[in-house]
Order: sequence, then C-alpha cells, then structure tokens
Amino acid sequence: AQSVTQLDSHVSVSEGTPVLLRCNYSSSYSPSLFWYVQHPNKGLQLLLKYTSAATLVKGINGFEAEFKKSETSFHLTKPSAHMSDAAEYFCVVSEVSSNTGKLIFGQGTTLQVKP
Amino acid sequence: EAGVAQSPRYKIIEKRQSVAFWCNPISGHATLYWYQQILGQGPKLLIQFQNNGVVDDSQLPKDRFSAERLKGVDSTLKIQPAKLEDSAVYLCASSPRRDRGPAFFGQGTRLTVV
Repeated sequence: AQSVTQLDSHVSVSEGTPVLLRCNYSSSYSPSLFWYVQHPNKGLQLLLKYTSAATLVKGINGFEAEFKKSETSFHLTKPSAHMSDAAEYFCVVSEVSSNTGKLIFGQGTTLQVKP
Repeated sequence: EAGVAQSPRYKIIEKRQSVAFWCNPISGHATLYWYQQILGQGPKLLIQFQNNGVVDDSQLPKDRFSAERLKGVDSTLKIQPAKLEDSAVYLCASSPRRDRGPAFFGQGTRLTVV
C-alpha cells in the first residue's frame, strides 16, 4: 500500500533563507510524486511533479524537489523564501502501476515566513 | 483553459439535513475525484470516477454519501443526512489520465454542519 509521511507539521523560516520541507513515501510500484500548495481560502495548486524522468524536478515559484529512491524521499526546497510562500504544502503520491491512479496526500506542512 | 468549477463555495446546514455539491471538471478530463479535507488534515479521497464509472469509492461513507457523474462530465456529491463530523472542505479535482496525474483542483466547498 502506498503512503506519504511529511516529517514536519510546521516549518518556520526567515525571509530570504532556504526552505526545506521533508517528505518520505512508501509505494509498492514506481510512484508518481507531486507537491501541492494551498494558500488560505484558496484551492490546491500544483507546484511540481515527478513521473520517472529526471530525478531533480523544477517547479513554479523557484521550488524544486529531488526524488531519491534509495531514501524513499521527495523533499521540497527553495533557495530563498519569500513572504508569499507562507502556505500549507502537501506531498502526494500516486502509483503508476495501480489501475486507479489514486492520489494519496500527506498530512501537510505549514510554512511560516518571518520578515 | 478554464479550471475546475465548484459550487456553492460555502454552505451551512443543520445536522440531519441534506446537501449537494456540484463540480464541473476541466473539459476533456476523463478522471474526476472528490476529496474531503477536514481542518488541519490532508485531503482524503472519497470517490474517483473514470468517465462515468466509479474506479474507487472505498472511503465513501455509503450510508450517507452518494455521488454520480451521469454523462461523464460534471458530477454531484450528496450528503443525506449530514452529521457534525461532515464539516469540512469538499474538493473536486480532475485529471486527463488516471495513471500519472497530476490532478487539478477546484476552489472547494466549505461545509459547516451545526
């Protein structure tokens, strides 16, 4: 069975410093992995996706994530945080070989950006 | 390209009443999902359609929840009767393919049961 664990429920950084949001996954098959962002009272927006191509994935707004199969991780990073990055972030896994393609969400990480 | 449309945006009902949510996916997207997001938690899949057929409804409380996608396009999710614990944001999403995603989400319907 597939699952996702986001290792930090809350991360606080200062504006201009690096961001690291950690995600580990469990999957029986080759996974597709995604990061979504949810701003208050807004819908979920896709940040980036990994679908078995390059292991380093670049997304929108300067975010990127690296797929590490040996560590079953898909951590999200950004070199320099901006105030507008404050939001809830979700790591999501989908099994490629599954006949449903069900998306399983992590519990979310709240990113706080301090001035 | 228009996004996923959901209505209403907000709904307040009393427990034991019924409620329905509507979703219009992105044109041409065969896969449609309904998720429930309780405050402070990640979204949980309720039901997944491929065209007008159900692919996964294993976490749908079928004694009170129902969903349909009759013509393989828009969809409705109904709760009857509602309980206090149904208070949540109900998210609809669509995807062109079911095996690789990604899914594109609507704004959601925030349901409050009092």
